[in-house]
Amino acid sequence: GESVGLHLPTLSVQEGDNSIINCAYSNSASDYFIWYKQESGKGPQFIIDIRSNMDKRQGQRVTVLLNKTVKHLSLQIAATQPGDSAVYFCAETRTGNQFYFGTGTSLTVIP
Amino acid sequence: DVKVTQSSRYLVKRTGEKVFLECVQDMDHENMFWYRQDPGLGLRLIYFSYDVKMKEKGDIPEGYSVSREKKERFSLILESASTNQTSMYLCASSLQGHLSGNTIYFGEGSWLTVV
Repeated sequence: GESVGLHLPTLSVQEGDNSIINCAYSNSASDYFIWYKQESGKGPQFIIDIRSNMDKRQGQRVTVLLNKTVKHLSLQIAATQPGDSAVYFCAETRTGNQFYFGTGTSLTVIP
Repeated sequence: DVKVTQSSRYLVKRTGEKVFLECVQDMDHENMFWYRQDPGLGLRLIYFSYDVKMKEKGDIPEGYSVSREKKERFSLILESASTNQTSMYLCASSLQGHLSGNTIYFGEGSWLTVV
């Protein structure tokens, strides 16, 4: 199967600090990547995506960075808030029809 | 906004029962998916469908079947529920195509407990 993994299973940050969540993928043919946030008891929510022809994409308080050379993806959350506490996982696709997901990183924001 | 609706959020079923999990999406997406999510294992694909009446096995299809009679609806069926099927089940949908950028959207999940 596809290897889409996260370096750290858990991450704790102080409120107001920036958070960085990492993801590694193994297939250089992957051309589209997505970050999801999943709160306890809920389904995954789309946060931000990036195509392989881009290195960086910014949203509201979130930035995704893509390094195709080392097949690495990261999600940066600025000024982390308690409401950001959740599991974050990445997804990748080569065909646009089948998606592969990482196991997730649990982010805890300490007030 | 894309809406993927799973009609049952919490179910408790007995071993051997037949279980139906229903999913409806309102964005005319061609692709629909059923995943199960277990702690430490992430999302595992059970079945997916590219079109009406079409289905493909995912990574863990054993013990499950699916039905897609209408484009907007994708049902997951557990023919004879077993305790190892206790899990959270997630339905998802996406546009079809080779082009990247077709995001996959999820429902809120169905928590199934088999006793």
